[in-house]
Amino acid sequence: KQEVTQIPAALSVPEGENLVLNCSFTDSAIYNLQWFRQDPGKGLTSLLLIQSSQREQTSGRLNASLDKSSGRSTLYIAASQPGDSATYLCAVRNTGGFKTIFGAGTRLFVKA
Amino acid sequence: NAGVMQNPRHLVRRRGQEARLRCSPMKGHSHVYWYRQLPEEGLKFMVYLQKENIIDESGMPKERFSAEFPKEGPSILRIQQVVRGDSAAYFCASSHLQEGSGANVLTFGAGSRLTVL
Repeated sequence: KQEVTQIPAALSVPEGENLVLNCSFTDSAIYNLQWFRQDPGKGLTSLLLIQSSQREQTSGRLNASLDKSSGRSTLYIAASQPGDSATYLCAVRNTGGFKTIFGAGTRLFVKA
Repeated sequence: NAGVMQNPRHLVRRRGQEARLRCSPMKGHSHVYWYRQLPEEGLKFMVYLQKENIIDESGMPKERFSAEFPKEGPSILRIQQVVRGDSAAYFCASSHLQEGSGANVLTFGAGSRLTVL
């Protein structure tokens, strides 16, 4: 059974700092891994998707990496801004199944 | 492209009433997923549907909950005889690529927030 864990659960950093959010999963037989952002009381916005054959994806100040063998992914945010404050969710889609399993998220607060 | 549309955005029901949540997937998407998010918790998978078929309902409670995705019209998540513990945000997501594709991006709606009094 796939389990997705995100650490830390919460993070507070000053504006401008580079930061890393961690995601680990127990079953390495995945199709893809997707990082989402969720603002309070809002829906989910897809940030990056990494297919199982890929090692990383980049979009602007965001870079996500995937190491299937160790069951880990990281989301790197460069030069953080107060507007980056949100909950970041990691989600894994397994091979041979239809579910995408979510981690509990990391709540990020960037102080101005 | 209007994205994934969910309505109502907010719904208040008294215990014992029925709640119906609707989801219109993105244009061209034929796969719909429902997730539930309890306060301060992550998203929990409920059900995966294709047009007129339930593919995986392993996350659905055994009683009171049902889902459908008819040939025409939106997907419906129905909760009968609601209880306070059903209060949550219910999110719908859709995708368009065939199962087995690693590039299968999930696109989420804004969610429907159910409050049971």
